[in-house]
Amino acid sequence: NSKVIQTPRYLVKGQGQKAKMRCIPEKGHPVVFWYQQNKNNEFKFLINFQNQEVLQQIDMTEKRFSAECPSNSPCSLEIQSSEAGDSALYLCASSRPGQGAGQDTQYFGPGTRLLVL
Amino acid sequence: GDQVEQSPSALSLHEGTGSALRCNFTTTMRAVQWFRKNSRGSLINLFYLASGTKENGRLKSAFDSKERYSTLHIRDAQLEDSGTYFCAALTGGYKVVFGSGTRLLVSP
Repeated sequence: NSKVIQTPRYLVKGQGQKAKMRCIPEKGHPVVFWYQQNKNNEFKFLINFQNQEVLQQIDMTEKRFSAECPSNSPCSLEIQSSEAGDSALYLCASSRPGQGAGQDTQYFGPGTRLLVL
Repeated sequence: GDQVEQSPSALSLHEGTGSALRCNFTTTMRAVQWFRKNSRGSLINLFYLASGTKENGRLKSAFDSKERYSTLHIRDAQLEDSGTYFCAALTGGYKVVFGSGTRLLVSP
């Protein structure tokens, strides 16, 4: 079973407010992913890290989100100015380093459900 | 353990032709997702299926959890379809297992 910890489980924000969520990956997993899961259960890749370095991110993440994975602290994903369309389940996953990021088994946390009013 | 076997590992197509990618699963999966990695390295979601088939433009995907496979069909391939395609299977728990990828090259 996954040991990825995500907090908070639920987050309610107004439009324009910052929304921050945290993730503690499994011990020994240097690769961390953030996904946005929509109401159709589709996983939208946002960003991934290996240790403290960003490996890949999509344009939306680059412009409106900030994310980091400092050493000895939880990883975080923050939406700078929340929009209604950001309401979703945000999932953090971690994995061992594979041959290429995204190709090893990923273990998911329970998610942070964000509601933007 | 849960494994995904993706084939072929590489595929060359001429513009206008088509082919299929396949993922076989060693256990019953509850859903599958297909991604394409673009030139910037981002994973673009193509399809999420819990069962049946879905179609979007020139792409069509099918998933049969009982028979333990999923396919991605590309028709009328275009140059911009080039890239690496991954399937990712969702197990009963919070685990996503990726296939090894198919590198597609579409040439004129």
